Amino acid sequence: DIQMTQSPASLSASVGDRVTITCRASQSIVIDVNWYQHKPGKAPKLLIYAASNLQSGVPSRFSGSGSGTEFTLTINSLQPEDFAIYYCQQSHTTPTFGQGTKVE
Amino acid sequence: EVQLLESGGGLVQPGGSLRLSCAASGFTFRSEAMSWVRQVPGKGLESVAFLGFIAGRPEYADSVRGRFTISRDNSKNTLYLQMNSLTAEDTAVYYCAKGTGASSTFDSWGQGTLVTVSS
Repeated sequence: DIQMTQSPASLSASVGDRVTITCRASQSIVIDVNWYQHKPGKAPKLLIYAASNLQSGVPSRFSGSGSGTEFTLTINSLQPEDFAIYYCQQSHTTPTFGQGTKVE
Repeated sequence: EVQLLESGGGLVQPGGSLRLSCAASGFTFRSEAMSWVRQVPGKGLESVAFLGFIAGRPEYADSVRGRFTISRDNSKNTLYLQMNSLTAEDTAVYYCAKGTGASSTFDSWGQGTLVTVSS
C-alpha cells in the first residue's frame, strides 16, 4: 500500500494566520490526492480533490498544490471554524490516509 | 441531497461478528464507488474496505483482510460490511463514504456508527 506521511502532526495558529500542511506519498501518485477536514463528532468533509481542485461549497481560503509525491494544503486567513483535524488521502490505488494534522 | 445512514453498530465480544449497513439516497447508488472508513478512538482515519460501482474486486486494508467483507445491493441502495473475528483493535466509529464515479475521492459521508469490541 502507498503510505502517506503528513507533517506537522499538530500546529498552533491564530485567527488570521496562514497555515500550511504537507503530505508526502511513498511513491508517485500523480495528482491523486484529496484533503479532508474532520471535526469531533462530525462526518469528515472533502475540501480539495485531485491535488488542487476546490470542492463545491468550500471557502476559497483553502487551496491545494503539488504533484508526484509532495502535496500541500494551505489555509489563508484562518477562521474560527477552521480549527479541526486535516487529512490527506491518496486515491491512486487502494485508498490510504495520512496520520492527520490537528490545527489548534 | 445525498444521505448515507449507517446502522448495525454496537457492543460485541472479542471473536464475535457484526454486520454494518449503509442506506444510501439522493444519488444513483449503482454508479458510485463506496467505502467503509473507520476512526479508532484517538487515532486517524483508515479506509478498511473499498468497492467499485461495478461488482469487481474489493480492496481491503491489511488490518482487516480475511476478516471483513464489503458488499453492496444496488437494488436496495445499501452497502454492507460483514465483520468477523473482531478484536479490541477494531473498536472504532465506522463511516460509510461515497466515492465519485470509480474514484476513491469521498465526497459524502455518513455520520458514523460506533462498534465496541469488549468482553
